[in-house]
Amino acid sequence: DIVMTQTPLSLSVTPGQPASISCKSSQNLLYRDGKTYLYWYLQKPGQPPQLLIYEVSNRFSGVPDRFSGSGSGTDFTLKISRVEAEDVGVYYCMQSIQLPRTFGQGTKLEIK
Amino acid sequence: EVQLVESGGGLVQPGGSLRLSCAASGFTFSSYWMSWVRQAPGKGLEWVAVIKPDGSEKYYVDSVKGRSTISRDNANNSLYLQMNSLRADDTAVYYCARGSRGIDYWGQGTLLTVSS
Repeated sequence: DIVMTQTPLSLSVTPGQPASISCKSSQNLLYRDGKTYLYWYLQKPGQPPQLLIYEVSNRFSGVPDRFSGSGSGTDFTLKISRVEAEDVGVYYCMQSIQLPRTFGQGTKLEIK
Repeated sequence: EVQLVESGGGLVQPGGSLRLSCAASGFTFSSYWMSWVRQAPGKGLEWVAVIKPDGSEKYYVDSVKGRSTISRDNANNSLYLQMNSLRADDTAVYYCARGSRGIDYWGQGTLLTVSS
């Protein structure tokens, strides 16, 4: 199985400041179709996960442009340009190049 | 609007069985792969199973393989997860989710507790 490793596991950020989360996979996530199957989700307290970013860098419908994703191969990053109070929760990366799908451990974002 | 509504969770004794259900609406259910993902209390996300749109292909995580069956009823826009020989470590919120490579929408989840 592909192992997904997120750092840091927790983050405390002042509103208006940037935040960055790293996700590393144990295998290359570039598929033969040219797409890289790395996704980012946010799970707000008491809610199910919601899709933020698909295929490394594409924002899902309705996701604010302060969220951006980048990376390639095995190294990926989620950035929030200016953190807002509504961004609190746990962020997960997920690979979907191979079954079983696997998630990172999660990064908990708190507001200072 | 895409909606996924799970049901069927509850308290089950170790060794017991349960069928989880997911009612889908707001999209053409029969065109999508569908997944189950679970989350143990206070823990991260674990992908459980996925089924092809026509039901002809099914895949499972090793920890539930042989004990669980994913199925669907496209006429009634419903997804199911039959779980047998339940163990304490199956205790989790079970989410129904749309997609396989791209899991985009999630239900609110249903809690399965395995305990004596």
